[in-house]
Amino acid sequence: EADIYQTPRYLVIGTGKKITLECSQTMGHDKMYWYQQDPGMELHLIHYSYGVNSTEKGDLSSESTVSRIRTEHFPLTLESARPSHTSQYLCASSGLADTDTQYFGPGTRLTVL
Amino acid sequence: GQNIDQPTEMTATEGAIVQINCTYQTSGFNGLFWYQQHAGEAPTFLSYNVLDGLEEKGRFSSFLSRSKGYSYLLLKELQMKDSASYLCAVMDSNYQLIWGAGTKLIIKP
Repeated sequence: EADIYQTPRYLVIGTGKKITLECSQTMGHDKMYWYQQDPGMELHLIHYSYGVNSTEKGDLSSESTVSRIRTEHFPLTLESARPSHTSQYLCASSGLADTDTQYFGPGTRLTVL
Repeated sequence: GQNIDQPTEMTATEGAIVQINCTYQTSGFNGLFWYQQHAGEAPTFLSYNVLDGLEEKGRFSSFLSRSKGYSYLLLKELQMKDSASYLCAVMDSNYQLIWGAGTKLIIKP
């Protein structure tokens, strides 16, 4: 079954740690996205990719980085986590057409102490 | 700037009908999406409108007026499982999605 996966689902870590949030999809989609969402607030785009070796920064200033070495995999890395990074991180994917629907993974809820 | 407005919260009764409004001001328009998001879960796609008018899909319908910068999501025969947040998102001239903060819908028996 085609789907989009994120691991871990929940993560509690200390300040200064390096973390990688994993996102994989079996939808055959070219485009992938990372969003940040705080409770009751809108989604903010932090990174996106059109395909392998393509990465772009979104509207939200972020201290994270991404890579796209394989079509199905789009990990997000925080080099040094801070309490301000505490949030829900949502990964999404879509087809190549500009107006294709984005489909979301289950999310990673990150807490930085 | 770009702006999406939705009511923060609405309450409705099981079996009734509810209309959730969304108004937008964006740089360009390439369609409007509605998503449903249950608490603690990911958004799931409900509908996409790019032309004016009403799109019906089962119990859910979505309406768009581009001249008024306005859309609504209509939910009929409400069920308890419809309790969720409903997110309105507009695709701008750069084909980026601009998201509203969502409307939390509470269904009472």
